[in-house]
Amino acid sequence: DSGVTQTPKHLITATGQRVTLRCSPRSGDLSVYWYQQSLDQGLQFLIQYYNGEERAKGNILERFSAQQFPDLHSELNLSSLELGDSALYFCASSVVEGQYYGYTFGSGTRLTVV
Amino acid sequence: AQKITQTQPGMFVQEKEAVTLDCTYDTSDPSYGLFWYKQPSSGEMIFLIYQGSYDQQNATEGRYSLNFQKARKSANLVISASQLGDSAMYFCAMREGASNYQLIWGAGTKLIIKP
Repeated sequence: DSGVTQTPKHLITATGQRVTLRCSPRSGDLSVYWYQQSLDQGLQFLIQYYNGEERAKGNILERFSAQQFPDLHSELNLSSLELGDSALYFCASSVVEGQYYGYTFGSGTRLTVV
Repeated sequence: AQKITQTQPGMFVQEKEAVTLDCTYDTSDPSYGLFWYKQPSSGEMIFLIYQGSYDQQNATEGRYSLNFQKARKSANLVISASQLGDSAMYFCAMREGASNYQLIWGAGTKLIIKP
C-alpha cells in the first residue's frame, strides 16, 4: 500500500455520462497530481493542486475538471465521456511541490467508456 | 520533439543477468530531475530511482542504478542480477525546470525476464 488511495479501482460507464474519480493523498502530502495513461497517448500530466489551489495544468480537456478539498483529498470530474477517454487515471502526491522522494502514486482508476 | 525517448519497446533478458534500459531526454533548462518507475501488470506505478541534474554522482538504490551521462542527455537504468519479478513496464520521466513539478513521461520499455 503506497498510502495514496484512489477510488473506485474500476469504472465502466456509457458515452455521454459523467464520472468522478477520487484520490486521498498520503498523510502529510499537500500536493496532488493527476495523470492519464492511455494506449495511444501514453502517460500524460493533467493537473496539479497544492494545498487546495490549482498549480499547473497539462493536457486536460475542457470536459474534465478537478479540485482539491480542505481535507486535501482531490476529485477528478470527467463529463460528456467519449470512447477515447478510456484510460488508467493515476493520482500522485508529494509532501511539498516536486520533492523527488515524495512522488507517490496510487494504484489508479481504470475507466472504460462503452 | 520528444522530451523523453525510450528506444526499446521491449526486451527479453535471462534471469540473473544485468539489464540496461535506455532513456534520453531533451531539455534546455539546467534544473531538472529524472525518474524511473516500474509498472507491473497489476498497474500500479512504483518509484525506483531519481537523479537530479546537479547531482555529481550516479544514483543507486539497491539493485537499481542510474547511468547518468549529462553531456549525452542520457539516464539509463541498470538493473543488476535480474529476477523474474522484474518483469514489468519501465518508464523514464523528467521534471523540467525549477518551478515545474509535473512529470513528462517516455513511452516505456516492456521488460520480460526469462527463467
